[in-house]
Amino acid sequence: DIVMTQSPDSLAVSLGERATINCKSSQSVLYSSNNKNYLGWYQQKPGQPPKLLIYWASTRESGVPDRFSGSGSGTDFTLTISSLQAEDVAVYYCQQYYSTPPHSFGQGTKLEIK
Amino acid sequence: EVQLVESGGGLVQPGGSLRLSCAASGFTFSSYAMSWVRQAPGKGLEWVSGIRGSEGSTYYADSVKGRFTISRDNSKNTLYLQMNSLRAEDTAVYYCAKHNWGSPGYMDVWGKGTTVTVSS
Repeated sequence: DIVMTQSPDSLAVSLGERATINCKSSQSVLYSSNNKNYLGWYQQKPGQPPKLLIYWASTRESGVPDRFSGSGSGTDFTLTISSLQAEDVAVYYCQQYYSTPPHSFGQGTKLEIK
Repeated sequence: EVQLVESGGGLVQPGGSLRLSCAASGFTFSSYAMSWVRQAPGKGLEWVSGIRGSEGSTYYADSVKGRFTISRDNSKNTLYLQMNSLRAEDTAVYYCAKHNWGSPGYMDVWGKGTTVTVSS
């Protein structure tokens, strides 16, 4: 099974500054036949269900602000928030959906305001 | 509006059983794969089980294989999770989630969750 590891576990960033969260998979999630990375990012605010932010590693879900961006390929991925807003305080998870389930999540990164 | 509403959670003793339901609306239910994802208190997300759209192939995490059964009734637009031989470590909020196509992929719609507590 593919293991997803996020870093850091927690992060404190000042309002308006850039936040960067990393995600590493134990094997490549790049499907060579279509050149797509089977990697998604989710945001979970306290007391709420997760919300899809990014899929195919870099495609923003409809309605997600453009300050959120995803990058990376193969085994190394990054979620970047270009200018942190107060409403971005949340836990962020990456998830791989490569091949047959189980589709594992990273352990989560808690983002707070400095 | 696409909506998922879970129900069936509650308090159950170790070794007991519970059946969760997820009522779907606002989309062609039979065309999409669905999954259950859980979150233990203060912990991260754990994918539990998934089922394809019309073809109905099922998938399970090792932690629940042999104890949980996922199923769907496309005529009722409802997803189920039958949970048997429950353990304390199954205590969690259980979310129902819709995948973006007929096979499990990323999950674009989530329900609000239902809480399962396994305790004597």
